[in-house]
Amino acid sequence: EPEVTQTPSHQVTQMGQEVILRCVPISNHLYFYWYRQILGQKVEFLVSFYNNEISEKSEIFDDQFSVERPDGSNFTLKIRSTKLEDSAMYFCASNTPPSTGELFFGEGSRLTVL
Amino acid sequence: GQQLNQSPQSMFIQEGEDVSMNCTSSSIFNTWLWYKQDPGEGPVLLIALYKAGELTSNGRLTAQFGITRKDSFLNISASIPSDVGIYFCAGQYSQGGSEKLVFGKGTKLTVNP
Repeated sequence: EPEVTQTPSHQVTQMGQEVILRCVPISNHLYFYWYRQILGQKVEFLVSFYNNEISEKSEIFDDQFSVERPDGSNFTLKIRSTKLEDSAMYFCASNTPPSTGELFFGEGSRLTVL
Repeated sequence: GQQLNQSPQSMFIQEGEDVSMNCTSSSIFNTWLWYKQDPGEGPVLLIALYKAGELTSNGRLTAQFGITRKDSFLNISASIPSDVGIYFCAGQYSQGGSEKLVFGKGTKLTVNP
């Protein structure tokens, strides 16, 4: 069964360092998302991406964050200068029209900022 | 923004018991979804509800979309140990011409064998 894959599964970084989280969405999906889940809390929307551009972003997705689809398969989330509060699980998700909220999530990338 | 109030926060039950959890909101949603998150995994969709009043089953799971489109419940019958995890409700709504999805805070389920 097709699935969303994410790498790395866990990354530990020093505050101020740049981090890139990678995702390979399901191949025929057209909408891509990043969500964040701080430990013990709910899943929060960061950004959605469609047709090679950001279609929606939340307040959390500030100038430190960027997304890119550098080739036909990868979808990346970059955090330019990590802060302690960026420590969380980051989930990539994808789906395809008609979009009805039925997201397919990856297993997540745990980011620990020291 | 839209908020979902999910309860209870956690449940500790014995294997074989039935479970009920719910989500409410002051806002109307187009679609309600229930996801399950196993430890260390991403959320997985369990049930999607599209119509007000809709009652849908998926094996031992039953979920209903409230008539007012502001609430939903999820029932799990005859719980088994692999039901442990965190269950999230999620509501989809339209804003500014785009579809948005908001999650509840989750219900953590523990099943004692």
